Formats: sequence, C-alpha cells, structure tokens
Amino acid sequence: GIQVEQSPPDLILQEGANSTLRCNFSDSVNNLQWFHQNPWGQLINLFYIPSGTKQNGRLSATTVATERYSLLYISSSQTTDSGVYFCAVRMDSSYKLIFGSGTRLLVRP
Amino acid sequence: NAGVTQTPKFQVLKTGQSMTLQCAQDMNHEYMSWYRQDPGMGLRLIHYSVGAGITDQGEVPNGYNVSRSTTEDFPLRLLSAAPSQTSVYFCASSYSLAANQETQYFGPGTRLLVL
Repeated sequence: GIQVEQSPPDLILQEGANSTLRCNFSDSVNNLQWFHQNPWGQLINLFYIPSGTKQNGRLSATTVATERYSLLYISSSQTTDSGVYFCAVRMDSSYKLIFGSGTRLLVRP
Repeated sequence: NAGVTQTPKFQVLKTGQSMTLQCAQDMNHEYMSWYRQDPGMGLRLIHYSVGAGITDQGEVPNGYNVSRSTTEDFPLRLLSAAPSQTSVYFCASSYSLAANQETQYFGPGTRLLVL
C-alpha cells in the first residue's frame, strides 16, 4: 500500500517563530488533506490540497503532486498551534484515506 | 448541524465482551469511516463505507464489524474485545469522494479500555 511519511516527528518552537512540516508519499494521489489534532484530541481539517497552494490566515500549504510531497507552513506560531499535525492521502484507485504518523508541535510562550 | 457524533465517550470492557460504538452524522454525507489511534501514533483505517449498504475493510479490520443501513449511521461492533483493542476510536465522514468534496469531518472520539 501507499506509504506516508511526515517530518520532523517532533518540533519545539518559541512563540512567534515560523515552521515547515513535510509530508512525503510513495504513490500518486488525488486527495491530500492536512489535519490538526489539538491537545484535547479533536481533529480539525486544515486543508484539502491535492495540488497547488492554499492559504488560511497564518497557515499555508503546498502540494507538489508530481514530486510526491506536501508542505505545511505555520507562520508567527502561537501556543494554540500546539498539537499534532497529520497529513492523509488517497490514491486514485482506492477509497481508503491513509494517515501519516504525524508531527508533534509544541509552541512555548 | 450537530456534525459527527459518537457515543459513548468512554468505555471499559472486560476481555471477551462485545459492544457497539455508535457514530452518526447529520450532513447527508455518503462516505463514512472508522479509525483507531494508539498512543503516539497516527490514525489507522478500520472500515469504511461509500454509501448505505456498502462497506469495505480498511488497514486493520480484524476483530471489528460494521454495517450501514442508513446514510446517517455507521456503528462499529467489537465482536470479542481484546486488550490489543484498547485505543481511541474516531468516526469520520465526508460528502463524497468527488474532487473538492472529500474534506473529512471527525467525531470527538471514543476512548476504549479493555481489561
């Protein structure tokens, strides 16, 4: 099956810093989504981005489908950005949405 | 809209017991799925459904059954609970699998402890 790798596994930032999270996948996909899991466990969809670039406030994401990776940018980080960030992908020939193992982010005040 | 709801929030079972985790959505979504999340790990797909009456296996289906008799409900049954099934279970739904309609919405999760 498709492999989804996220890096780095852990990240500690000072409030106000910027960061880039990466998601690599092993096969062509027609669905890629980024999620944030807050410290209380709730999963929130951030972006649906199978290709191209999107921005939402301090967050932006870019997917280069031909090179099989996606990047999530967090600018001017806040303590509320802490949690785990997951990417998830679905191949053309499958109904299954497969998750990476996540990047755990801690933003310190 | 209530979105995706899950019950119960917490459950303790003894080995060998069976139970059903409930999931419901009121958004008329076609696609529904169940995931489990173990400590420090990502989400693994258990079962999914692309519409009422249609279900299929995900990555880790053993020990679980599902059915989809209505668009709104997608219960997950544990047939004979084992300690290895201790986990947090998430239900998710999306409008469809068509482009730009695949945004997944998650329920709050059910924490299950099997003793």
